[in-house]
Amino acid sequence: QVHLVQSGAEVKKPGASMKVYCKASGYTFTSYYIHWVRQAPGQGLEWVGIINPSGGSTTYAQKFQGRVTMTRDTSTSTVYMELSTLRSEDTAVYYCARDGSINYYLSLDYWGQGTLVTVSS
Amino acid sequence: DIQMTQSPSSLSASVGDRVTITCRASQSINIYLNWYQQKPGKAPNLLIYAASSLQSGVPSRFSGSGSGTDFTLTINSLQPEDFATYYCQQSSSAPYTFGQGTKLEIK
Repeated sequence: QVHLVQSGAEVKKPGASMKVYCKASGYTFTSYYIHWVRQAPGQGLEWVGIINPSGGSTTYAQKFQGRVTMTRDTSTSTVYMELSTLRSEDTAVYYCARDGSINYYLSLDYWGQGTLVTVSS
Repeated sequence: DIQMTQSPSSLSASVGDRVTITCRASQSINIYLNWYQQKPGKAPNLLIYAASSLQSGVPSRFSGSGSGTDFTLTINSLQPEDFATYYCQQSSSAPYTFGQGTKLEIK
């Protein structure tokens, strides 16, 4: 069965970088895109970007352009998201989610458990 | 970017009630619309994709409708486990934006 397991919680100082991972299992890793979505405390869901694990191509939300990098390691079925120049507003739970597109209708059908990143001095 | 607006932001209802949540897109998105349920401390769970298709394993009391810019999520005969926050998401074009959420609470 499909599982997405994320790295553990992190505490970072303003200006630092964070790198979280999402390890996939139970399906063919290169056949499904992976999205990253974040949720600030008490707030709604915010789409960060998407990576194609097959070729490594990415699309990021404009808001994060220049600060976010998504990569993958096909040998370990793992996707990484790095966010640089952290500020307090980046404090959030970061989720990875599989894109289970059916007939070209994109949807996020399996989610990781989330990684809390706290940015604080 | 396509803006997604949900209403209401919160809603009180009783077990057994029928509730409807609406989602409006700032431009036409055909039927590229998903609905998710999120419980406190948990990841979201996909309920509906392509506006009206029920995700496997989701109870049939959940249904979705709409196209273009206006969409609804209906829950028939509310169960105790349905009290949660619901989000719509457009899947028409990146960035794949979410609505602000609707919190469904027990009356």
